[in-house]
Amino acid sequence: EDQVTQSPEALRLQEGESSSLNCSYTVSGLRGLFWYRQDPGKGPEFLFTLYSAGEEKEKERLKATLTKKESFLHITAPKPEDSATYLCAVLPSGGYQKVTFGIGTKLQVIP
Amino acid sequence: DTAVSQTPKYLVTQMGNDKSIKCEQNLGHDTMYWYKQDSKKFLKIMFSYNNKELIINETVPNRFSPKSPDKAHLNLHINSLELGDSAVYFCASSQSQGNTIYFGEGSWLTVV
Repeated sequence: EDQVTQSPEALRLQEGESSSLNCSYTVSGLRGLFWYRQDPGKGPEFLFTLYSAGEEKEKERLKATLTKKESFLHITAPKPEDSATYLCAVLPSGGYQKVTFGIGTKLQVIP
Repeated sequence: DTAVSQTPKYLVTQMGNDKSIKCEQNLGHDTMYWYKQDSKKFLKIMFSYNNKELIINETVPNRFSPKSPDKAHLNLHINSLELGDSAVYFCASSQSQGNTIYFGEGSWLTVV
């Protein structure tokens, strides 16, 4: 069964303090890895899709990278508005292509 | 315009009641989903429909019955509600399986 493990579960940063969130996965074959942002009381908001090891994508202060076993979401000089839960999800290449989500990392950025 | 919209946003009901949650997407996608997010914030797929055909049906009690009248709509009906059904239910859609999934704002169900 596909598995996604995210760490840490919670992260508290000072504004401007860069850090990384980790997403480790086990899947028989990876078709894609997704990152989402979820604010309290809202649905997950799509950030990135990564398809192959070595791929990187950036959006404002966020950069997502992918290896064969894990993905990182790097946050550079975060601002309070970056506070949210960040979810990682994997899509296997075979079967019913069911997306499996991790439990998320709750990020809090303190001014 | 809201891409994936679901109603109601909040629902408080008593055990044993039957309730429905409606979902509509205006993205032109052919695949729609229902996800459940429990108190631990774990997001798990319940059902997936592609062109009105049921594709994924996870281990969900028979009390949960999805219905897709057309590609743009996927409703969720729940019979005989139980306390453990309390959760947030998200509707979502994508263009075919395997592509980016876009979520609605969620429906907060509380069973008392």
